[in-house]
Amino acid sequence: DSGVTQTPKHLITATGQRVTLRCSPRSGDLSVYWYQQSLDQGLQFLIQYYNGEERAKGNILERFSAQQFPDLHSELNLSSLELGDSALYFCASSVGADISSYEQYFGPGTRLTVT
Amino acid sequence: QKEVEQDPGPLSVPEGAIVSLNCTYSNSAFQYFMWYRQYSRKGPELLMYTYSSGNKEDGRFTAQVDKSSKYISLFIRDSQPSDSATYLCAMRGTNQAGTALIFGKGTTLSVSS
Repeated sequence: DSGVTQTPKHLITATGQRVTLRCSPRSGDLSVYWYQQSLDQGLQFLIQYYNGEERAKGNILERFSAQQFPDLHSELNLSSLELGDSALYFCASSVGADISSYEQYFGPGTRLTVT
Repeated sequence: QKEVEQDPGPLSVPEGAIVSLNCTYSNSAFQYFMWYRQYSRKGPELLMYTYSSGNKEDGRFTAQVDKSSKYISLFIRDSQPSDSATYLCAMRGTNQAGTALIFGKGTTLSVSS
């Protein structure tokens, strides 16, 4: 158990809908990262938050947004969902945001299915 | 050309075999190299970490980085059925804006008893 929790475990929704994925980092970790994992693209970095502020952006679509709250939990919002958004979404956390924070701890993931 | 290439396998070996997993990359700015292990229906977990070139050993696992060839390897000695998982290589440069990791697609390993 990495100490990172994610809810829900599974989510099935229809195209055009909006969903929210939730992540709680390990105790003491200030950084939260969101990743998308699909069979064809592999594990892709979406966005990073550090202590409530956006720190880095990866391949995140404009239909997706995230935020980190004062208690350090994070939410990833996916809107206008398309079939291609079906994937595993992982949250990871680390202590800091600088170069030395190479060790990221991953949660169990949320499996999103868009029908 | 993708930044990180990794043969997806699957790779099937008998128990006790030596396993070699590899990744190649194109970005010479990468300095930090990691191997993650992902069991089915679980999140990735950090297995090994190496900075720049060289070897690192941890029990049955050895990570090698050859920056001149842009090639990294993970060797597993005396492989066990519990090593059956997907192995992801990951790497990162010295990006001051954050610590985003670039992952390979993963190699699926099956160790039979």
